Amino acid sequence: AQSVTQPDIHITVSEGASLELRCNYSYGATPYLFWYVQSPGQGLQLLLKYFSGDTLVQGIKGFEAEFKRSQSSFNLRKPSVHWSDAAEYFCAVGYSGGGADGLTFGKGTHLIIQP
Amino acid sequence: DGGITQSPKYLFRKEGQNVTLSCEQNLNHDAMYWYRQDPGQGLRLIYYSQIVNDFQKGDIAEGYSVSREKKESFPLTVTSAQKNPTAFYLCASTYGGANNEQFFGPGTRLTVL
Repeated sequence: AQSVTQPDIHITVSEGASLELRCNYSYGATPYLFWYVQSPGQGLQLLLKYFSGDTLVQGIKGFEAEFKRSQSSFNLRKPSVHWSDAAEYFCAVGYSGGGADGLTFGKGTHLIIQP
Repeated sequence: DGGITQSPKYLFRKEGQNVTLSCEQNLNHDAMYWYRQDPGQGLRLIYYSQIVNDFQKGDIAEGYSVSREKKESFPLTVTSAQKNPTAFYLCASTYGGANNEQFFGPGTRLTVL
């Protein structure tokens, strides 16, 4: 079965600094990869997704992510964070064989922004 | 505007009571999902449904039940058999298939008193 690992439970970044959130997946074939963001007490919002093609994908709110097959990774990046980026971030993976049971989510990374 | 609605936003229940969480979508999506979220646990799949009148258990279905009588609606009942029901519950929907993003509702926070 596929799995998703987000190694960092919490990350603290100063406002204006760059950000990278890590995501590793385990699945043999080409995965479908997603990053979601969740503000406290809210639902999840899609930031970006990767299906095929260009391995660097652009998303909303200035985020981007790069798919690296050799490393089984799909790390999320942002050049300069804003205080409003403080939230929980989830990486998710789907597989091409079916997907009837939806996506598999990582346990999330809590992003804290220091002034 | 299309979207997913969940109600109520906050729900309190006494031990031993069943309670039903509502999830409605007007996105014309075929598939719907229920997740449970606990701190540090991420999202865990409770039940999912690909079509009307059909649904399957997810990873943590014990103590929960669902129905899918209409395409737009996928209510979740938390029964008294659920040992630790206090959690944040999220409903999602998609057109189906692994390459389609899931759209999420705003969630319901259930607290057992």
